[in-house]
Amino acid sequence: EPEVTQTPSHQVTQMGQEVILRCVPISNHLYFYWYRQILGQKVEFLVSFYNNEISEKSEIFDDQFSVERPDGSNFTLKIRSTKLEDSAMYFCATRGQGDQPQHFGDGTRLSIL
Amino acid sequence: RKEVEQDPGPFNVPEGATVAFNCTYSNSASQSFFWYRQDCRKEPKLLMSVYSSGNEDGRFTAQLNRASQYISLLIRDSKLSDSATYLCVVRAGAGGFKTIFGAGTRLFVKA
Repeated sequence: EPEVTQTPSHQVTQMGQEVILRCVPISNHLYFYWYRQILGQKVEFLVSFYNNEISEKSEIFDDQFSVERPDGSNFTLKIRSTKLEDSAMYFCATRGQGDQPQHFGDGTRLSIL
Repeated sequence: RKEVEQDPGPFNVPEGATVAFNCTYSNSASQSFFWYRQDCRKEPKLLMSVYSSGNEDGRFTAQLNRASQYISLLIRDSKLSDSATYLCVVRAGAGGFKTIFGAGTRLFVKA
């Protein structure tokens, strides 16, 4: 079964540094999403991306965050200047057209020191 | 009112029991509905989509009541492997781009 692939599986970074999280979507999927889940808390929507632009974003997705799909395959989430509170699991999800459900990658655990 | 609300549980049930989870959502324009399960420190995995007519997949039955803005999941003949957190997920917004997760209901199935 096709999978969403995320790299790295674990990223440890000093506060204030930039991080880039990568996601390879399922090949025929057109809608891409990033979520985060702080340990012990609920999954929180960050952003959705379609047709090479952001279609919806949450209040969490402030100017420190950006997304792009630079080469038509990888879908990336960049955090410009990380804060301690950015420590969380970050999940990428992708889906096909219409009412298709989202399929999740197995996440990147981001630890900010 | 929370956008998607679930009873956090935990539900502790013996093997073979039937258990039901409920979920309410606040946005009447919501378009698509799903149940996911999440094991500890893992990604959410799709359990089933929820359709207006109700749908069943083996031991799992999902119902949607748009008038009451209510979704349910019924698990029959619970197995130990059903122990997980069950997430109610609602998609809304123009084009269905915004996705809201409930906080999840924790299920423990005991031998």
